Amino acid sequence: KAGVTQTPRYLIKTRGQQVTLSCSPISGHRSVSWYQQTPGQGLQFLFEYFSETQRNKGNFPGRFSGRQFSNSRSEMNVSTLELGDSALYLCASSLGTGGAGRETQYFGPGTRLLVL
Amino acid sequence: DQQVKQNSPSLSVQEGRISILNCDYTNSMFDYFLWYKKYPAEGPTFLISISSIKDKNEDGRFTVFLNKSAKHLSLHIVPSQPGDSAVYFCAASASGGGADGLTFGKGTHLIIQP
Repeated sequence: KAGVTQTPRYLIKTRGQQVTLSCSPISGHRSVSWYQQTPGQGLQFLFEYFSETQRNKGNFPGRFSGRQFSNSRSEMNVSTLELGDSALYLCASSLGTGGAGRETQYFGPGTRLLVL
Repeated sequence: DQQVKQNSPSLSVQEGRISILNCDYTNSMFDYFLWYKKYPAEGPTFLISISSIKDKNEDGRFTVFLNKSAKHLSLHIVPSQPGDSAVYFCAASASGGGADGLTFGKGTHLIIQP
């Protein structure tokens, strides 16, 4: 089975721009969660999508949004980028039957975003 | 406020010996705990999990111990191997609608010395 894929792997943007990251889950997985990893804060939960609906959301501002398509692929968008948004953005997929935090999640390699 | 804490940023252990990674949590609602391993340039990989109804779970060389009264869990790796060198994340979740995300610690960088 192919693993979780994320595109692009690296991205450089400037302050004020917006960015869209993409995640393709493992075939058959219906839940996709997004995490932000920074040296100072570690891994932080952004949100989870299941069956095209946002099922849970972490403590991030509204500039961070996402969506999920009928094939379970997900995108996350960050608008009005700030320097502090520079991070590794990780996507994780799971079956979705138990909820994002209750079942094994499989992570993609991440998208490294640098905001200048 | 950090709800999951890994107080050792790094740990160095000799090959063949036991590695013990520690994790403390503050949220008493957490009832499911996981350990992930992460190599550079890769996403975290699931290692082992434990539910709060148990105090120990074992999978090969990896054992996780949970002490609910102390809000503490530990991961034991025996024997340690060079391929175990990685960053280890402790994560926790709370039941409640079954849709909560994971709360991660900041990780412990384990270095296995030959």
